Amino acid sequence: QKEVEQDPGPLSVPEGAIVSLNCTYSNSAFQYFMWYRQYSRKGPELLMYTYSSGNKEDGRFTAQVDKSSKYISLFIRDSQPSDSATYLCAMRPYSSASKIIFGSGTRLSIRP
Amino acid sequence: DAGVIQSPRHEVTEMGQEVTLRCKPISGHNSLFWYRQTMMRGLELLIYFNNNVPIDDSGMPEDRFSAKMPNASFSTLKIQPSEPRDSAVYFCASSDPGQGRHGGDTQYFGPGTRLTVL
Repeated sequence: QKEVEQDPGPLSVPEGAIVSLNCTYSNSAFQYFMWYRQYSRKGPELLMYTYSSGNKEDGRFTAQVDKSSKYISLFIRDSQPSDSATYLCAMRPYSSASKIIFGSGTRLSIRP
Repeated sequence: DAGVIQSPRHEVTEMGQEVTLRCKPISGHNSLFWYRQTMMRGLELLIYFNNNVPIDDSGMPEDRFSAKMPNASFSTLKIQPSEPRDSAVYFCASSDPGQGRHGGDTQYFGPGTRLTVL
């Protein structure tokens, strides 16, 4: 079993819809949670960052962490065609020396 | 800043040949990471360096893979001999753990090298 599981998609929604992307994980030591966005033929870039449980909002993006369920989510409101990309969740334990574990990514397409 | 620079962007080679991928991290960043991305396995960390010293190479698939970082501004990933199953996109990323609360987790990725081994 992988430490981090992510539905690969693809997920296709109409412009303006609310998008929900999710990951589950098995390592209870994970404390830091990230979402990276990767456009086609590009490297991933950090989109959202949260520590421990709770919500964090940044514009149209909301990251949610539920450590009791080992489940994290990224919500995109008022989705735009420019949001079409692959979204990778990532996480690591408390120690900054620990490596980050990435999910395999969910491919998202926003239809105009 | 130009960001993380990788070369070549594309590489097509034949099985058994030596392949060398190159990376120039962002100036001032002291952590460097090599990843491999495939559809089947996603993004896998191969090795990472801190201050030019290899810290964790547990992700390196086998002895055919080697990585070096002779100075703070240059790193190579070498595959010798290459095999078709090595075909993937190889990313280099750098970070600055001293930059901000989560500087170490903000990894800046290069554009990747798309490797095809025939």
